[in-house]
Amino acid sequence: DGGITQSPKYLFRKEGQNVTLSCEQNLNHDAMYWYRQDPGQGLRLIYYSQIVNDFQKGDIAEGYSVSREKKESFPLTVTSAQKNPTAFYLCASSRGTYTDTQYFGPGTRLTVL
Amino acid sequence: EDQVTQSPEALRLQEGESSSLNCSYTVSGLRGLFWYRQDPGKGPEFLFTLYSAGEEKEKERLKATLTKKESFLHITAPKPEDSATYLCAVQARYGGSQGNLIFGKGTKLSVKP
Repeated sequence: DGGITQSPKYLFRKEGQNVTLSCEQNLNHDAMYWYRQDPGQGLRLIYYSQIVNDFQKGDIAEGYSVSREKKESFPLTVTSAQKNPTAFYLCASSRGTYTDTQYFGPGTRLTVL
Repeated sequence: EDQVTQSPEALRLQEGESSSLNCSYTVSGLRGLFWYRQDPGKGPEFLFTLYSAGEEKEKERLKATLTKKESFLHITAPKPEDSATYLCAVQARYGGSQGNLIFGKGTKLSVKP
């Protein structure tokens, strides 16, 4: 079955640590995205990538970093510079960037201890 | 500034009691409007894309409509399994956020048997 996988489902981080969230898709989509979801707020875009080896900052990129070395993979690193990282992180992909529907993975819940 | 407002924040219905969810938007040229369903602790599930005023789409008990300033998600004779948070997002044609999805905060629907 084609789809988007995210791992781990739950992640706990100590303050000062960097952690990496995995996102893999086998839909042969060109574009991939990372969103953050907080209670009572809409999804906010962190980073997106339209093609391998290229990515752009979204609305809340500070404290995060990404890479896009393979079409199928778009990992997100939450660095120690992110002051309030506890949130639900969602990865999405689409065939292209404009108009094409974005499909979401199951999410990773990150908690800072 | 592009923005999306969903109302009500929460809606409680009895099984079989039809109602509508509202998504009003201001955007620099609408490229597309998207509806998603999200269950607790899971990623959003795509429902519909609407592109132009007057367009309608249906899926089982759900019907989405679009005007120049808002979209409605009509739920006919809902069942308890329709309980979820419904998210609306728009994609702008112009401006700094063009191509990216701008999400509302969602409407949490509860359907009681």
